[in-house]
Amino acid sequence: QVQLQESGPGLVKPSQTLSLTCTVSGGSISSGDYYWSWIRQPPGKGLEWIGYIYYSGDTYYSPSLKSRITMSMHTSKNQFSLRLTSVSAADTAVYYCARGVDSYGYPYDYWGQGTLVTVSS
Amino acid sequence: DIQMTQSPSSLSASVGDRVTITCRASQSISGYLNWYQQKPGKAPKLLIYAASILQSAVPSRFSGSGSETDFTLTVSGLQPEDFATYYCQQSYRTPYTFGQGTNLEIK
Repeated sequence: QVQLQESGPGLVKPSQTLSLTCTVSGGSISSGDYYWSWIRQPPGKGLEWIGYIYYSGDTYYSPSLKSRITMSMHTSKNQFSLRLTSVSAADTAVYYCARGVDSYGYPYDYWGQGTLVTVSS
Repeated sequence: DIQMTQSPSSLSASVGDRVTITCRASQSISGYLNWYQQKPGKAPKLLIYAASILQSAVPSRFSGSGSETDFTLTVSGLQPEDFATYYCQQSYRTPYTFGQGTNLEIK
């Protein structure tokens, strides 16, 4: 059974960097059959796609966040991570990591439970 | 970016009803359309992918159809556990955008 678990600080000060890690169990992030994403959801609002990283290390970021995002993989730990710099209150959200299937439809079939990150001084 | 527009934004229905949610893309996305169900405080759950393929273990009362720009999610015979928010998502072109969601409530 595949499981994803987000971890990281729940409170970040404005202008600082948000760092989150997703630990994957029950499957390898090095598999070429999947890609690995971050998606966020501001309180009471809809889902916003942040970006993805492939096992090869290739990345694609949302244009609206691209200048502030870095995603990376840590294959020895079966983890991937998100860094978002220069945060503001607008970055307050529940952050989800998710596994995308690299085949027809490219859907997200497994999600982490989500972690709330609040940006506040 | 491809814009995804769902209608209605909210919907009231009763147990046993048949409901349909529509998702429209701002440009053709072929069949690259996925549907998710989200309950309060939980992560989204994949229901339908590639417009019409039912995800494993999802009840057959859920079905999806459509292509190009217009898609529908139908729930036939609503069950109490189906009251939730539903999102469509296009995976045709990055960024993979979501619809704004449809909140399905009990009448």
